[in-house]
Amino acid sequence: AQKVTQAQTEISVVEKEDVTLDCVYETRDTTYYLFWYKQPPSGELVFLIRRNSFDEQNEISGRYSWNFQKSTSSFNFTITASQVVDSAVYFCALKGNAGKSTFGDGTTLTVKP
Amino acid sequence: GAVVSQHPSRVICKSGTSVKIECRSLDFQATTMFWYRQFPKQSLMLMATSNEGSKATYEQGVEKDKFLINHASLTLSTLTVTSAHPEDSSFYICSAREQGRANYGYTFGSGTRLTVV
Repeated sequence: AQKVTQAQTEISVVEKEDVTLDCVYETRDTTYYLFWYKQPPSGELVFLIRRNSFDEQNEISGRYSWNFQKSTSSFNFTITASQVVDSAVYFCALKGNAGKSTFGDGTTLTVKP
Repeated sequence: GAVVSQHPSRVICKSGTSVKIECRSLDFQATTMFWYRQFPKQSLMLMATSNEGSKATYEQGVEKDKFLINHASLTLSTLTVTSAHPEDSSFYICSAREQGRANYGYTFGSGTRLTVV
């Protein structure tokens, strides 16, 4: 069985603050993929990143960065200099060998001006 | 990039009627599509895996006779909510993976908000 835990239900920050969204996962698979998705109020899911379990390099994309640590089974997501448009629900997901994705419960991020 | 079109985006139906939701891969072929359901302020729950040319695989607790899935072609999967009831009101999202790209990310449709009155 696989599980994804996003312990932070809601986070509220003021614009320009940095914010980190936590994601901890459980899986017995040796090969798996981790994802982050953004779901704005419109409801549509937006793919942000995919990380292979064999690739522990951290990644930076503009104001977004991801910290993958296999030793702690964590795949945290940091937004630097947050903006109001970053307000959304963010989901962390795990895809194991069977091909099915398990989602965390999501973290609602509110960025206030 | 890969695009998945989901239609309709919103639907309101009367209790007891059936509603069909389409999930179409526009620029790629998808042998496998997934259907998710999302209750307000909750995570996505996988309902079923739709396989082209064969029966769908349903997750535990999902009524296959109520949520009919048809994957008749490599670009189209449909989810029919039969005899809908207010408790079926939810946000339904499909996702698809491009055939031959087994280890890549999935593309999601824009979702369908179903309201049963």
